[in-house]
Amino acid sequence: AQSVSQHNHHVILSEAASLELGCNYSYGGTVNLFWYVQYPGQHLQLLLKYFSGDPLVKGIKGFEAEFIKSKFSFNLRKPSVQWSDTAEYFCAVNEGYSSASKIIFGSGTRLSIRP
Amino acid sequence: SQTIHQWPATLVQPVGSPLSLECTVEGTSNPNLYWYRQAAGRGLQLLFYSVGIGQISSEVPQNLSASRPQDRQFILSSKKLLLSDSGFYLCAWNQGTGGLYGYTFGSGTRLTVV
Repeated sequence: AQSVSQHNHHVILSEAASLELGCNYSYGGTVNLFWYVQYPGQHLQLLLKYFSGDPLVKGIKGFEAEFIKSKFSFNLRKPSVQWSDTAEYFCAVNEGYSSASKIIFGSGTRLSIRP
Repeated sequence: SQTIHQWPATLVQPVGSPLSLECTVEGTSNPNLYWYRQAAGRGLQLLFYSVGIGQISSEVPQNLSASRPQDRQFILSSKKLLLSDSGFYLCAWNQGTGGLYGYTFGSGTRLTVV
């Protein structure tokens, strides 16, 4: 069965620091990869996604993620965080051709930014 | 445009009482529908998904059940709530195979069983 691991449960950074949140998945076939973000009191929303092509994916609000197939990783990065990036971040994976399109989520990483 | 509605937003129920949470999608047809539970410190757990009317797949054994009486309606139920059913329940939908479009989530229901 697929699984997604986010090893950092809570990350605390100062504004302008660089961010990298780790995500590893376990599935040997074709995968689609996602990062979702949940700002305090708001819906889960899609930050970025990877399906194929360039393994470096750019999303909203200056975030990017790199798919490294050999490492089964899809780490999220941002060169300079802002206080408004305080949120919970979820990595997710989906089998490439599943008819039910189930997406499996990691346990999430809570990001706190000190102003 | 497509929208997803989920209600109620918050719910406090006593142990042993029944539960019914409703989710409806507008602006699309034959969506894939999902119920997730977000428990503190445990991330998002897929509970049920449905690819069509009357078709329900359960991901984890539990005290809950799901039904899809209409194409764009997905209901999460329980006959008798347990304390462990407390959590934040999210409905989501997507279309297409391979998860090409990701999910769109509802606003969630915070359930507290007391």
